[in-house]
Amino acid sequence: EIVLTQSPATLSLSPGERAILSCRASQSISNFLAWYQQKPGQTPRLLMYDASKRATGIPARFSGSGSGTDFTLTISSLEPEDFAVYYCQQRTNWPADFTFGPGTKVDIK
Amino acid sequence: EVQLVESGGGLVQPGRSLRLSCAASGFTFGDYAMSWVRQAPGKGLEWVGFIRSKAFGGTTEFAASVKGRFTISRDDSKSIAYLQMNSLTAEDAGVYSCNRVGYASGRYYFFDHWGQGTLVTVSS
Repeated sequence: EIVLTQSPATLSLSPGERAILSCRASQSISNFLAWYQQKPGQTPRLLMYDASKRATGIPARFSGSGSGTDFTLTISSLEPEDFAVYYCQQRTNWPADFTFGPGTKVDIK
Repeated sequence: EVQLVESGGGLVQPGRSLRLSCAASGFTFGDYAMSWVRQAPGKGLEWVGFIRSKAFGGTTEFAASVKGRFTISRDDSKSIAYLQMNSLTAEDAGVYSCNRVGYASGRYYFFDHWGQGTLVTVSS
C-alpha cells in the first residue's frame, strides 16, 4: 500500500504570498500524482495531474512539480479564493486503490 | 459542460441498505470509468470504489473498508452510475460524491469531475 503524507498540515499566509505545499509518497509513483482544492461546503476540484499539468481552467499561478516520491504544489501569489484545503492523490494498479493524502489547509494569516 | 448529480442520500439505520445514484451529462458516459469518493464530517477524502467502462469489462474495484458490502453498477443507456451500500455502520456516514475518472499518460488514475455530493447519515 502506498501512503501519501502532506506537509505542513496548516499553512498560514497572507494574500499575495507564495504557498508551497508538499506531498510525499511512501514509494515511487513516477509522476502519476494529482492535486485537488476543496473549499468549505464544496466537493474537491482537480487542479493538477501528472504532477505538473494544470487541469482545464486552472490559473497559471498554480504549478506542480516532482516525480518519484516527492512532489510540490506552488501557488505563486495567493488570491483570496485560494484559501482552502489541498489534497494530493495517487492510484495503485494492484490491488486497485486510489489514495489521498491527509490534506494541507491554507488559511489566512 | 460535464455535470454529475448525486441523489439518494439520507438517514438510514445501522445494518440497513441505501442506494445512491449519479446522473451524468455533458459527455459520453459509456466511455468513462466512474468512481465514488466519500468524506466523513470534518475528515479527509476516502476512495470507495469504481467501475470501469464496458470497453474495459465494466468490472469494479473497492476499498478494503467497503469490499463485500458495497457494489457499483452502471446503466450507460441512462448515463447513471449506482452505489449500493449494504450493512451500513456509523463509519460509513459522510458525503458521497461520484467522480469521472480521468485519463492521462496511459493511465486512468485521477478524478477530473466531481458531483456536489449527497449526505449519508447512519444512526438509529
